[in-house]
Amino acid sequence: SYELTQPPSVSVSPGQTARITCSGDALPKQYAYWYQQKPGQAPVLVIYKDSERPSGIPERFSGSSSGTTVTLTISGVQAEDEADYYCQSADSSGTYAKVVFGGGTKLTVL
Amino acid sequence: QVTLKESGPVLVKPTETLTLTCTVSGFSLSNARMGVSWIRQPPGKALEWLAHIFSNDEKSYSTSLKSRLTISKDTSKSQVVLTMTNMDPVDTATYYCARTTQSGYGIDYWGQGTLVTVSS
Repeated sequence: SYELTQPPSVSVSPGQTARITCSGDALPKQYAYWYQQKPGQAPVLVIYKDSERPSGIPERFSGSSSGTTVTLTISGVQAEDEADYYCQSADSSGTYAKVVFGGGTKLTVL
Repeated sequence: QVTLKESGPVLVKPTETLTLTCTVSGFSLSNARMGVSWIRQPPGKALEWLAHIFSNDEKSYSTSLKSRLTISKDTSKSQVVLTMTNMDPVDTATYYCARTTQSGYGIDYWGQGTLVTVSS
């Protein structure tokens, strides 16, 4: 079955830039979405359609795509950005599309 | 504003059937290219998509759980129902419903989630 691969963890110091990658064979053909999840809370959409930012999400969050890899970039990381981040896309190989999530990346702000 | 709220039992016994209801507001289940997904998250683990249903009645299920899941909607009640049969302790998780767009299959709004424990 189709999989999205993320690094389990990323660590950065405050003010630095964090980059979280997500790899999948179908990413050149399907949009990617990114969610932030803090402990005990529901996920929150931070990037949609590879690089679009929903209203209310700080400008330091950005997304990009290159081939089979999409990247979430957090510029000028703040302590409040410490969370789990999940990428998501779709597997359209069957009759109806299925949603796929990556395994998640824990961002630690040192 | 858009809200989704999950409801259902907090505790089910092994082999029982779980029925969860998602009640939505701020949008209609008949809105074109709009739908609802169910996603679960075992304690300390990653998100896992279970199923979705759209306004045109397109339904799709997780390949690994397809035989146990049924999703349906009642547009007049603004509700989406998920049933999962033959529950097992490994199905213990927080279950979320979330609004999903048929264009790209992205999820833009999530419910707060409901923790379901499977135990005898």
